[in-house]
Amino acid sequence: EAQVTQNPRYLITVTGKKLTVTCSQNMNHEYMSWYRQDPGLGLRQIYYSMNVEVTDKGDVPEGYKVSRKEKRNFPLILESPSPNQTSLYFCASSPRTGTGYSYGYTFGSGTRLTVV
Amino acid sequence: TQLLEQSPQFLSIQEGENLTVYCNSSSVFSSLQWYRQEPGEGPVLLVTVVTGGEVKKLKRLTFQFGDARKDSSLHITAAQPGDTGLYLCAGPLINFGNEKLTFGTGTRLTIIP
Repeated sequence: EAQVTQNPRYLITVTGKKLTVTCSQNMNHEYMSWYRQDPGLGLRQIYYSMNVEVTDKGDVPEGYKVSRKEKRNFPLILESPSPNQTSLYFCASSPRTGTGYSYGYTFGSGTRLTVV
Repeated sequence: TQLLEQSPQFLSIQEGENLTVYCNSSSVFSSLQWYRQEPGEGPVLLVTVVTGGEVKKLKRLTFQFGDARKDSSLHITAAQPGDTGLYLCAGPLINFGNEKLTFGTGTRLTIIP
């Protein structure tokens, strides 16, 4: 089954304790992205990657890191989490199109992170 | 500044009624998509519209892309409880590549049995 898999689904952590949220896709998609979803603010892009070893900042990158060493994996790293990073996080992937329009994203099921 | 404004934010109607939700922007989009998100899950792509004025139908859902490619609407006929969810529109800004999507804040739809 074509899918984007995120782990963990739920995570409670303490301020300052480094954590990694994993994301893996099995569709051979070039483009991968991380979003956070907050009430009233919608989905905001954190980082994205156009291909292996190519990453770039989205709209809200502060406090996050990413890496893209393999095409299928795109982990999100919080080096020193703070309470304002409490949110619902989604990983998404998409093929590169070359057609002039987006094919749309396949999203993971989300990671609910609470930083206390 | 929110590039994609969705209205209404919340909508609660009885089963069997019709409804329309809107997605508006002052910017031009090369394409526009609609997603539905259920509680505890990620958004799921419903449709992509590409051409100005395009209309697509998905069973009881009708999607329209504005002629100027700045707005879109989603019309649901004879709503059912299974239509309940958060509806999101999204699109790539025309000068920012095809993969980087901007999302609206969504319309939370509740269908009352």
